[in-house]
Amino acid sequence: DSGVTQTPKHLITATGQRVTLRCSPRSGDLSVYWYQQSLDQGLQFLIQYYNGEERAKGNILERFSAQQFPDLHSELNLSSLELGDSALYFCASSPDRGNYGYTFGSGTRLTVV
Amino acid sequence: DAKTTQPPSMDCAEGRAANLPCNHSTISGNEYVYWYRQIHSQGPQYIIHGLKNNETNEMASLIITEDRKSSTLILPHATLRDTAVYYCIVRVRGTDKLIFGTGTRLQVFP
Repeated sequence: DSGVTQTPKHLITATGQRVTLRCSPRSGDLSVYWYQQSLDQGLQFLIQYYNGEERAKGNILERFSAQQFPDLHSELNLSSLELGDSALYFCASSPDRGNYGYTFGSGTRLTVV
Repeated sequence: DAKTTQPPSMDCAEGRAANLPCNHSTISGNEYVYWYRQIHSQGPQYIIHGLKNNETNEMASLIITEDRKSSTLILPHATLRDTAVYYCIVRVRGTDKLIFGTGTRLQVFP
């Protein structure tokens, strides 16, 4: 157990639907990062939040959004889902600016049918 | 952003040292080198990081060349459980995000 909790572990949904992925960071960590890993692609950085505020943005689609709440947990919202959104979605956390490495969760496997 | 180049795959016999190279010739002076690994479809696992000095922890050693243009991750006694994809990453200057490349798929065989 890495200390980073992601729920749900698996999610199957239909095209056009909207889903929310949840991440609880390790205790004391202020930064949360979201990554997408498709079958034939590597880990793609999506977005980072630090203490409730957006810190960095990657190749995140406009259909995707995220936020970090006062208790530091984060949610990644995916809407108007397409088949190509099927992927593993990982959340990671770090104490501050990531100088000591990130701790990743075990991921949410999203399947869009 | 500094890019990294790694061999796509390597083999290593169990019990032997695994030496995984990484080229990062465009690295800037204040950019760190990080190593992560991903076993099957699990979440990536942090291994080690360094700036210019060699580093060692309970998992591995990191050797960075004096000109910082390349580095080597050393797993001193590889086990079957070390079979994974190993990522060498340069932390993007001025931001916190880590950009993962394609990594090296290490296969440890009996």
